[in-house]
Amino acid sequence: GESVGLHLPTLSVQEGDNSIINCAYSNSASDYFIWYKQESGKGPQFIIDIRSNMDKRQGQRVTVLLNKTVKHLSLQIAATQPGDSAVYFCAENAGTYKYIFGTGTRLKVLA
Amino acid sequence: GAGVSQTPSNKVTEKGKYVELRCDPISGHTALYWYRQSLGQGPEFLIYFQGTGAADDSGLPNDRFFAVRPEGSVSTLKIQRTERGDSAVYLCASSFKTGDYNEQFFGPGTRLTVL
Repeated sequence: GESVGLHLPTLSVQEGDNSIINCAYSNSASDYFIWYKQESGKGPQFIIDIRSNMDKRQGQRVTVLLNKTVKHLSLQIAATQPGDSAVYFCAENAGTYKYIFGTGTRLKVLA
Repeated sequence: GAGVSQTPSNKVTEKGKYVELRCDPISGHTALYWYRQSLGQGPEFLIYFQGTGAADDSGLPNDRFFAVRPEGSVSTLKIQRTERGDSAVYLCASSFKTGDYNEQFFGPGTRLTVL
């Protein structure tokens, strides 16, 4: 399938290290945020979400941090694995069903 | 169970032709969404269906684009008089219901190339 994001910012991380992917969102009224993972030739896959009444949420090996003051989201992946290599998008809601996606970051895991 | 499926996976057409892209949502999902993803960009919202009706088509770029969902399940995105700028990956997503914080499940997309 077609590679998504040939010209995206790239983060290269050694296998086993932690990864931090950052995202700036645009609308201070957004109250729901999602991180998606997209592998080449596939659709985006939900990773983790967070509501605006929280500043941190943890999942399995992933943590999302939300700083509403500066409209910033980050995704932390612990003990990064080769299978984590993909393009990562943050998305903010615009209403109850419409999501606005950021431009994405390519994560490359080095063996 | 099966996820969202889209056909065809790839479509190559010539400028000026008409194309149809199909989406089969997850069974039981009442909400369906179409997005367009250009190279190097995140998905961009096109249209949202709740049941059979298009509740929000504000993302359709112009009147060459149209989508239907006649029985509240399968949806077809139709593009008339295709232009080279229409080349992109067209993604479909579905969710169990609309409303706050409903996870949208994405299909693999249809890559459209207009020559």
